[in-house]
Amino acid sequence: KQEVTQIPAALSVPEGENLVLNCSFTDSAIYNLQWFRQDPGKGLTSLLLIQSSQREQTSGRLNASLDKSSGRSTLYIAASQPGDSATYLCAVNYGGATNKLIFGTGTLLAVQP
Amino acid sequence: AAGVIQSPRHLIKEKRETATLKCYPIPRHDTVYWYQQGPGQDPQFLISFYEKMQSDKGSIPDRFSAQQFSDYHSELNMSSLELGDSALYFCASSPTLAGEQYFGPGTRLTVT
Repeated sequence: KQEVTQIPAALSVPEGENLVLNCSFTDSAIYNLQWFRQDPGKGLTSLLLIQSSQREQTSGRLNASLDKSSGRSTLYIAASQPGDSATYLCAVNYGGATNKLIFGTGTLLAVQP
Repeated sequence: AAGVIQSPRHLIKEKRETATLKCYPIPRHDTVYWYQQGPGQDPQFLISFYEKMQSDKGSIPDRFSAQQFSDYHSELNMSSLELGDSALYFCASSPTLAGEQYFGPGTRLTVT
């Protein structure tokens, strides 16, 4: 069964810290992986998309890496700000006929001012 | 830039009623996905369409049906609503079958 897990489930850090969120997937034959941000009761904002052939992607203070062989992806957030507080979800696309996303359970991040 | 549009944003229905959720994908996106996110849960895939044909089906109850129209908008029809159907329903669109998925703001359905 294709499963996606995220650790930690919750994280609280002081403003300015660099932090890493982890995502693990059981089946390494992925097509791509997306990281999303979700504010409480709101929609999903796509942060980064990594194709299976890529090792990492960067956008501003965000850097996502992908290690297919170990079934892991990390999201690195540099110089965290209170506005970064949200739930971060990773989602795996295994391609094929469907391309549905399988989501992890998310990491709830709180950045303390 | 244009985003995915969903309507209505909020919907309150009673048990056993019917609801219709609408999704308007980003222009020139030919693939639409529907996801359901229950309280405190991660989004779960329901159904997807590519070029107006159903491409995949997930854990979608038989009471639910969906279609994609000629203008690529999609509708999710939900009948005999149950309390457990209360959730956020997201639509996402993609420019290709395997492309990045862009999510709409969601429709919050409350069944009383």
